[in-house]
Amino acid sequence: EIVLTQSPGTLSLSPGERASLSCRTSQSVGSSYLAWYQQKPGQAPRLLIYGASNRATDIPDRFSGSGSGTDFTLTISRLEPEDFAVYYCQHYGGPSWTFGQGTNVEIK
Amino acid sequence: EQLVESGGGVVQPGRSLRLSCAASGFVVNAFPFHWVRQAPGKGLEWVAALSYDVSNPFYAESVEGRFAISRDISKNTLYLQMNSLTSEDTAIYYCARGRGSYFDLWGQGTLVTVSS
Repeated sequence: EIVLTQSPGTLSLSPGERASLSCRTSQSVGSSYLAWYQQKPGQAPRLLIYGASNRATDIPDRFSGSGSGTDFTLTISRLEPEDFAVYYCQHYGGPSWTFGQGTNVEIK
Repeated sequence: EQLVESGGGVVQPGRSLRLSCAASGFVVNAFPFHWVRQAPGKGLEWVAALSYDVSNPFYAESVEGRFAISRDISKNTLYLQMNSLTSEDTAIYYCARGRGSYFDLWGQGTLVTVSS
């Protein structure tokens, strides 16, 4: 089973700053099978990015995804107040879906 | 388009519970569906999947043999039958619509607490 390791565990930033979140996989994976989600307290996760770099419907363009092989990155170009949340990466390795442990983006 | 879960609650260890997930705005037989859970204060864990043609259900090792995923097209609803529950099954259970490798629509979740 492929393990997803997200870093850092917590990212403390101010509104307007740039956020870079890392997701590393224990084996090389296809970019088509890597997604990112945002979860705010008390809410369900929301799809942000699929196929490593494709924004989901209605996701602002300040969110972008990149990477290949074992290293993937979610970038938030300029943090808005509503972006402070927990972010998860997720991989499909048929027939199993696995998540990283999450990165908490908190207000500094 | 919306998913609404129900059926959660407090249940004793060893007992059973069935969760429901009602879909609106689309038909459940056109998509694969999943259940994903989140233990209190923890991350996300995929639990079960049902393909759009219901040919193959898939389960995480942690629930294999105890949980069963199914659907009722006439009610446009997805189910998760959970048997032999333990404290480690305590979590918020989300149903999610699948798009192959990812999940594009999530319900609000229903809390299951396994406790004596």
